[in-house]
Amino acid sequence: NAGVTQTPKFQVLKTGQSMTLQCAQDMNHEYMSWYRQDPGMGLRLIHYSVGAGITDQGEVPNGYNVSRSTTEDFPLRLLSAAPSQTSVYFCASSSALETQYFGPGTRLLVL
Amino acid sequence: EDQVTQSPEALRLQEGESSSLNCSYTVSGLRGLFWYRQDPGKGPEFLFTLYSAGEEKEKERLKATLTKKESFLHITAPKPEDSATYLCAVRVDYKLSFGAGTTVTVRA
Repeated sequence: NAGVTQTPKFQVLKTGQSMTLQCAQDMNHEYMSWYRQDPGMGLRLIHYSVGAGITDQGEVPNGYNVSRSTTEDFPLRLLSAAPSQTSVYFCASSSALETQYFGPGTRLLVL
Repeated sequence: EDQVTQSPEALRLQEGESSSLNCSYTVSGLRGLFWYRQDPGKGPEFLFTLYSAGEEKEKERLKATLTKKESFLHITAPKPEDSATYLCAVRVDYKLSFGAGTTVTVRA
C-alpha cells in the first residue's frame, strides 16, 4: 500500500495562475479531505468528501474547488492563485469516522 | 465555535527529562481526540485516538490521557528522536479541528 500520495511536492505559481493539486489513496477510504498548514495556525480544513460524488466546504474554502469522481482521487483546484494561498497543503483519508491518515504534503509558493 | 488550544507552543527538554503537553478543547459532540506527530517537511503521523474521559493510551515513551475538557501527552524519559511537533485534533462529525501544535526539542 502506498497510502496517501500527493503531487507535486513543490510548486511555484504566479498570481492569477491556476493549478490542480493531486491526491490519491489506495486504502479504499470513503472519506478524504484537504487541509492547509500555515505557521502558528495549525491545520485548517479546506474541503472534504464523504464519498464519490459528495463534497462539502470546510473552514477556509474560498479560492479552492474540489470534485470526487472516484473513491481513490480527490484533486484540489486553485482557480486564480493569490499570494495568500502560499502554504503547505495536506490531503488525508480515512474509513468513515476512523483515524485520518495524511499524505506528505505539497508546498505551494505564489508570487 | 469549536476551539482547540495547545500549550506550551515550544518545549525544550534535556534527554531523560519527562514533561507533559496540554490540549484543551471546547466542542459539542466530540467524536474523538487525536494526537499526531509531525516531523519537519513531513505529513502528520498518527499516534493515538481517545474517545472518552478517563481513557489512556501508551506507545513507547508517550502516554495520552483524556478528561472532559483537555488531553495530556506525557513524554517519559525523552530521547532526541522524540523531537517533533505534536498536534492535537478533535473530531466533530467528519471534521477535524487542529490545535497549533507544540514543538518539542530534546537535547542529548
